Amino acid sequence: SQELEQSPQSLIVQEGKNLTINCTSSKTLYGLYWYKQKYGEGLIFLMMLQKGGEEKSHEKITAKLDEKKQQSSLHITASQPSHAGIYLCGADMFIHSGAGSYQLTFGKGTKLSVIP
Amino acid sequence: GAVVSQHPSWVICKSGTSVKIECRSLDFQATTMFWYRQFPKQSLMLMATSNEGSKATYEQGVEKDKFLINHASLTLSTLTVTSAHPEDSSFYICSAPHSFPRGTDTQYFGPGTRLTVL
Repeated sequence: SQELEQSPQSLIVQEGKNLTINCTSSKTLYGLYWYKQKYGEGLIFLMMLQKGGEEKSHEKITAKLDEKKQQSSLHITASQPSHAGIYLCGADMFIHSGAGSYQLTFGKGTKLSVIP
Repeated sequence: GAVVSQHPSWVICKSGTSVKIECRSLDFQATTMFWYRQFPKQSLMLMATSNEGSKATYEQGVEKDKFLINHASLTLSTLTVTSAHPEDSSFYICSAPHSFPRGTDTQYFGPGTRLTVL
């Protein structure tokens, strides 16, 4: 089963509109990362959240981790065509097996299109 | 669904030795693969883009002679950490984009390789 659920899977917005992408886990997240990927390129790191209730901003993008540390939202204000791409959340999730106690897990991504 | 594998999943080596990490796309062809590095409790950092049949493209600050990348086939990319030192200890992850019809593109990640250099 998918440990990190992202919603929506895809999003088409008019330029200038605000939007929100969600990332939800059934387990406590010990580190939550947001990435952006443009077609054919590698992931670009946006933000990392670790504390419950933490909120960070980078230009017009704001991400927040809820108090229970099981859900994060990424909010883009006044979207622009340059915001288009795939947004991925990733998290350190505690596991009992494998090479270490924590494993980096990713959501399936949200494809954002911004119409001029 | 599409799967990307990595081998080995973990490796411990002595300082000064070289370590090779393999990344394979198991049921699709990948002309491009990405290599990332993650330090403890930090984000993934893109190291390089591996291109089948041509030289890899390295991100700024990544030593190409230190981290040799070879994309020998459409399903295999290798990362060799040469003359490894303790500061190279990290979690290395590869990913491969899989293009579907209608222009969608999904990134598939390998499970990662934890390298410990003594």
